[in-house]
Amino acid sequence: QKEVEQNSGPLSVPEGAIASLNCTYSDRVSQSFFWYRQYSGKSPELIMSIYSNGDKEDGRFTAQLNKASQYVSLLIRDSQPSDSATYLCAVISNQGGKLIFGQGTELSVKP
Amino acid sequence: DVKVTQSSRYLVKRTGEKVFLECVQDMDHENMFWYRQDPGLGLRLIYFSYDVKMKEKGDIPEGYSVSREKKERFSLILESASTNQTSMYLCASSFPNQPQHFGDGTRLSIL
Repeated sequence: QKEVEQNSGPLSVPEGAIASLNCTYSDRVSQSFFWYRQYSGKSPELIMSIYSNGDKEDGRFTAQLNKASQYVSLLIRDSQPSDSATYLCAVISNQGGKLIFGQGTELSVKP
Repeated sequence: DVKVTQSSRYLVKRTGEKVFLECVQDMDHENMFWYRQDPGLGLRLIYFSYDVKMKEKGDIPEGYSVSREKKERFSLILESASTNQTSMYLCASSFPNQPQHFGDGTRLSIL
């Protein structure tokens, strides 16, 4: 089992819809979770951090964490074509504090 | 804002050459990381460092070495470049157990 798993996609949603990106992790004691956005040919950019169970909202983005289910998600409301990118889920490893990345989910928002 | 600067955006080298990739951060971060990213393989950790003169192997250290003589600078060295090291190389830095911030990346081609 991979330490951090994401559906690779591509996930295609129409403009204005809600995009839902999901991630599961295997290390039950993980405490810190992040979402990065990566445009084609660019480097990953941190967009959300979440550390406790529940929802965290920032503009059109909502991160959701459920530690009991070892599940973290990212919701993008009112999706725009400019949201088209690969979204990487990352979890801090308890072995030395490294970030463990998922493979990323490619999101395509169609006008 | 955090600034992680990689010395080159694009680099072309020949097989057998010794190649140096430089990374500098301006946020006094203790941790620095080198990744490579290839289509379909995601981000793979090559080496990381928790402090000056300290280094740890990541998932794919073979064929690479690193140097961290100053806190703000982390260098990746390809001892004898080979074509299978053609890739996008990403440097990142962070405080301990905090999210990483990435440089713009170096697209390296080995001919």
